[in-house]
Amino acid sequence: GIQVEQSPPDLILQEGANSTLRCNFSDSVNNLQWFHQNPWGQLINLFYIPSGTKQNGRLSATTVATERYSLLYISSSQTTDSGVYFCAVNSGGYQKVTFGTGTKLQVIP
Amino acid sequence: EAGVTQSPTHLIKTRGQQATLRCSPISGHTSVYWYQQALGLGLQFLLWYDEGEERNRGNFPPRFSGRQFPNYSSELNVNALELEDSALYLCASSLVVGSTGQGTDTQYFGPGTRLTVL
Repeated sequence: GIQVEQSPPDLILQEGANSTLRCNFSDSVNNLQWFHQNPWGQLINLFYIPSGTKQNGRLSATTVATERYSLLYISSSQTTDSGVYFCAVNSGGYQKVTFGTGTKLQVIP
Repeated sequence: EAGVTQSPTHLIKTRGQQATLRCSPISGHTSVYWYQQALGLGLQFLLWYDEGEERNRGNFPPRFSGRQFPNYSSELNVNALELEDSALYLCASSLVVGSTGQGTDTQYFGPGTRLTVL
């Protein structure tokens, strides 16, 4: 099956710093999503981005499908950005979503 | 607009018992997905239901089963509970674009049910 790897696995940032999270996948995908899982376990959809670039406030994402990676940019990080960031892909016609390994982000004041 | 809801929030069972978890999708969404997030194992796909039918399942034994009702809500049943079934179970819903399910819309997640097996 498709492999989805994220880097870095752990990241500690000072409040106000910028960061880039990466998601690599081993096969072509139909769609890709970025999620933020907060400390209470809730998964929040950030972007649905099978290709191209999208921006939402301090967050933006770029997927280069031909090169099989996606990037999530966080600018001017805040403590509320802490949590785990997952990318998830669907690589077939059967809705079998595969999640990446996650990046655990801690933003310290 | 109400989001995806799940019940119960927490569930404590003993080995060998059965657990039933419930999920109500966002109004208008026909697809419901179940995921398991066990400690140290990440998020694993369990089941996908659409229009009342099971469309796909992940690498889980048959004692993990479920169903989708005519109102698109869903139940996940776990029989013969084992200690390693302790996990956060997440439900998501989406629209499905295309006859084969390709190009699905965004998945929206519920708050989860934390199952503890003693």
